[in-house]
Amino acid sequence: GQQLNQSPQSMFIQEGEDVSMNCTSSSIFNTWLWYKQDPGEGPVLLIALYKAGELTSNGRLTAQFGITRKDSFLNISASIPSDVGIYFCAGLNNAGNNRKLIWGLGTSLAVNP
Amino acid sequence: DAGVTQSPTHLIKTRGQQVTLRCSPKSGHDTVSWYQQALGQGPQFIFQYYEEEERQRGNFPDRFSGHQFPNYSSELNVNALLLGDSALYLCASSSTGREETQYFGPGTRLLVL
Repeated sequence: GQQLNQSPQSMFIQEGEDVSMNCTSSSIFNTWLWYKQDPGEGPVLLIALYKAGELTSNGRLTAQFGITRKDSFLNISASIPSDVGIYFCAGLNNAGNNRKLIWGLGTSLAVNP
Repeated sequence: DAGVTQSPTHLIKTRGQQVTLRCSPKSGHDTVSWYQQALGQGPQFIFQYYEEEERQRGNFPDRFSGHQFPNYSSELNVNALLLGDSALYLCASSSTGREETQYFGPGTRLLVL
């Protein structure tokens, strides 16, 4: 099935460092979402973006909806051990009543305390 | 307020068998989506149910079918299981008009031997 290009595939950082990851698509989306998935759990919604250029924060997390509507970025500041997990981007273009989220392959984050 | 619940948590089946997975949506949600997540992959959309009908479907064969009940809970049925059906099956619920804001259950891990 269709998937978004998400990078990097994995990251190993020191506690306290900032993290950046991004997601790109060949198609335009009108909604971008960022989820975090812990082992053995379902994904948890972190941030939802609804407008091109939008910059939204959730605590130490900040995400941006790219101007071209074909990309999005997620930044995590001052990482802590509980940030460990897999981060997924997902996009939606609900034109024509489409309701199918398209997902990236995930960025696996490891934090060294 | 209970979140999305799924049962069973784990399941082992053999090729050719049939399986039924169950999902109860978050309170106040009326839409249920099902996803298949293979190891190391992002979730793949199977289908979405609203008002007891399949509203949209991903690229999955007819062996995958579903049902939604009047109380909004849902079942995913897979017939003639293949080894490749081994995956984490995720259920997500949302409200009409806000399908992009999906809340996921913990998933059912299916192993087909």
